[in-house]
Amino acid sequence: NAGVTQTPKFQVLKTGQSMTLQCAQDMNHNSMYWYRQDPGMGLRLIYYSASEGTTDKGEVPNGYNVSRLNKREFSLRLESAAPSQTSVYFCASSAGDTHYGYTFGSGTRLTVV
Amino acid sequence: GIQVEQSPPDLILQEGANSTLRCNFSDSVNNLQWFHQNPWGQLINLFYIPSGTKQNGRLSATTVATERYSLLYISSSQTTDSGVYFCAISGYSTLTFGKGTMLLVSP
Repeated sequence: NAGVTQTPKFQVLKTGQSMTLQCAQDMNHNSMYWYRQDPGMGLRLIYYSASEGTTDKGEVPNGYNVSRLNKREFSLRLESAAPSQTSVYFCASSAGDTHYGYTFGSGTRLTVV
Repeated sequence: GIQVEQSPPDLILQEGANSTLRCNFSDSVNNLQWFHQNPWGQLINLFYIPSGTKQNGRLSATTVATERYSLLYISSSQTTDSGVYFCAISGYSTLTFGKGTMLLVSP
């Protein structure tokens, strides 16, 4: 089925470890996004990529880096994980950064101990 | 940035009841979407509705952009409607999400 695919679905890290969350979409969308969801906070934007070759910071970018590898793929990297980064991470894509609906992946539940 | 407030924060319904969820926002918008997050965490786009009214089955949504609010109506609720409903807004950039309304529909 067409959509947004995230891997992994679950991950446990020790403080200081690094990891990369992968995201791929097959809808030929221009824009891709990484959000984190914490209890009572809704979803907060970490980084986004309005088009291939561009990335911009969102509301909560500290501690993260991103790569828009090509039009399909947008990865999120934690260089040195901290317990405050325990969260559920969602990748999304849209045809454009405004005026279009978003499609979300199924999420990655990350725990940093 | 744009502020998004949703009400009520929690709602409990008996199956078959109707409900209205509200989203207030602080500025003019180019993009307003309603999402449902099911109990398994999946986020589903319900409506893209920066203005006007749309209906999809038992769900409908109305946005009055000039008065800066949007309403999501759920009629004849079912247990599968349970979950969290998010309103998300953008002006000229990315979406800003409200904190959601948690809905529980009991049999």
